[in-house]
Amino acid sequence: QITLKESGPTLLKPTQTLTLTCTFSGFSLTTSGVGVGWIRQPPGKALEWLALIYWDDDERYSPSLKSRLTITKDTSKNQVVLTMTYMDPVDTATYYCAQMMILTGYGAFHIWGQGTMVTVSS
Amino acid sequence: DIQLTQSPSFLSASVGDRVTITCRASQGISSYLAWYQQKPGKAPKLLIYAASTLQSGVPSRFSGSGSGTEFSLTISSLQPEDSATYYCQQLNSYPLTFGGGTKVEIK
Repeated sequence: QITLKESGPTLLKPTQTLTLTCTFSGFSLTTSGVGVGWIRQPPGKALEWLALIYWDDDERYSPSLKSRLTITKDTSKNQVVLTMTYMDPVDTATYYCAQMMILTGYGAFHIWGQGTMVTVSS
Repeated sequence: DIQLTQSPSFLSASVGDRVTITCRASQGISSYLAWYQQKPGKAPKLLIYAASTLQSGVPSRFSGSGSGTEFSLTISSLQPEDSATYYCQQLNSYPLTFGGGTKVEIK
């Protein structure tokens, strides 16, 4: 059974740095075609993709947030960490991590974590 | 960036109805499209990938079609548990993008 779970702070002040950890089980980030991504969703709004890291260390970022984001993986701990600098109230959202799988050349986020709500407020 | 436009943004239908949601891409994305279902307070769930491949465990009343710039998600016989918001996502190129969502309500 594949599971992912996000952890991190629930409340941040503006300009602080957000560090979120995705701890997963049931798959390995050393397997070809596998990745872990981060997606966020402001209250009442649509999904927004943030970043993605693949089994081969390929990293991809949303261009609009690239300067503020870093994604890393620790395959020994089965964890992926996302850091986002200079947090602002507009970054208030539920943050999800999800398993990316590329099957027969086509990718999708097959399994999602439960999400963690992050509020940015002074 | 590739923009995805979903229509309608909201629909209300009765149990047993056939429902179709459309997703239009601003440029061709071949079949690199996925559909997700999200219920209130829950994480999205993958329904379909590669435009028309049903994810394991998803009821067969869900189907996807299309390629290039026009895609659709069809629920052949709407059930009460299908009340949710549905999102399309393109995986043809970075940045990955999602549509704005379609909220489906049961009358």
